[in-house]
Amino acid sequence: EVQLVQSGAEVKKPGQSLKISCKGSGYIFTSYWIGWVRQMPGKGLEWMGIIYPGDSDTRNSPSFQGQVTISADKSITTAYLQWSSLKTSDTAIYYCARHRVGFSDAFDIWGQGTMVTVTS
Amino acid sequence: DIVMTQSPDSLAVSLGERATINCKSSQSVLYSSNNKNDLAWYQQKPGQPPKLLIYWASTRESGVPDRFSGSGSGTDFTLTISSLQAEDVAVYYCQQYYATPFTFGPGTKVDIK
Repeated sequence: EVQLVQSGAEVKKPGQSLKISCKGSGYIFTSYWIGWVRQMPGKGLEWMGIIYPGDSDTRNSPSFQGQVTISADKSITTAYLQWSSLKTSDTAIYYCARHRVGFSDAFDIWGQGTMVTVTS
Repeated sequence: DIVMTQSPDSLAVSLGERATINCKSSQSVLYSSNNKNDLAWYQQKPGQPPKLLIYWASTRESGVPDRFSGSGSGTDFTLTISSLQAEDVAVYYCQQYYATPFTFGPGTKVDIK
């Protein structure tokens, strides 16, 4: 079964760092783009960026550039989303999702989401 | 960035009736080399991740009921639920994947009247 399994919920303080993960299984991890999508409480979906685990080619949304880092470790079929200094406005559910086939494509497989709460 | 808009923001439809959601992109998402529109539709139910319904504007994802259909080209697209079922209550999003950032529309909430 093709699936993406994300790490568990996190509660952090402003200024702390965080790295959440997304483990792919059931398919050739290095052959599909994986993206990250933010959903703030009660709000819509925001595309953050994508990475091709085969060569770590990454495309970031200008809205998130410099705020987060997207990476992947193909040896353990896992993608990551990382913050160096969290803000309360980073409180959201973060989803990872896989592209159907190519670079320009829809997300066909989604992780279950990771809730990140940043509170003092 | 390509800006995606959706209308209406929400709608309530009787069971068995048709629901229609519109999506508009700020520039064409028709990829001329293959004549396909880089436009997807997703369904998100409360407490769940989004689910892909339609890609290339009109191709139904495997396993998606045929009451869901997508149409349109260029900048104007429509998702139609031909006969609304109770399990279709959700928020529906369109997304363009023509140019990064691959932006989503703001969503349309569908309820039962």
